[in-house]
Amino acid sequence: DQQVKQNSPSLSVQEGRISILNCDYTNSMFDYFLWYKKYPAEGPTFLISISSIKDKNEDGRFTVFLNKSAKHLSLHIVPSQPGDSAVYFCAASIRSNYGQNFVFGPGTRLSVLP
Amino acid sequence: DSGVTQTPKHLITATGQRVTLRCSPRSGDLSVYWYQQSLDQGLQFLIQYYNGEERAKGNILERFSAQQFPDLHSELNLSSLELGDSALYFCASSIRQGPGELFFGEGSRLTVL
Repeated sequence: DQQVKQNSPSLSVQEGRISILNCDYTNSMFDYFLWYKKYPAEGPTFLISISSIKDKNEDGRFTVFLNKSAKHLSLHIVPSQPGDSAVYFCAASIRSNYGQNFVFGPGTRLSVLP
Repeated sequence: DSGVTQTPKHLITATGQRVTLRCSPRSGDLSVYWYQQSLDQGLQFLIQYYNGEERAKGNILERFSAQQFPDLHSELNLSSLELGDSALYFCASSIRQGPGELFFGEGSRLTVL
């Protein structure tokens, strides 16, 4: 049973336009969410995070939106650049000061076309 | 460069064998996490250590074990290997045992023939 879902395996966007990557989760106990980007032959790289007390977090071209009632979050990239072409993973966790188990989605492959 | 070092980068072995994957966390990071990524799958959490102690456990098989040593490096031991164990194994580290971003290594690609 997938607790974190990314229903679009791939997405193509024109350079300069907005990329919107979606993520849905089933466990209402999740209260901390992260997005990672992964290039081939490299490990995932942290992009941006959001905790459940917020509904939006922004960092440069990257904005994450959280809709707790819908158990949905999205990553917006504006403007999209060819270097953004990568696989994007959404991850969710239950905050604990003891340990944490991040559950990752299957990823969405973003292609930004020049 | 995330600062997390994993060795070996590639490993080819036969079914039934045992391998050890090694991870050195970023300087100052006390938490180490292990993840498995099979072909076209997401990252599956295996286990977390903080300062030498196990803190969280995911879907780690009984044939797999891990430990974190006093110098904070960690090893993931995979035994009685099966074809389905072929995957990318990622190590990640963070400074805390609780919430915070993870810094990933480049992964160790294991191929079981």
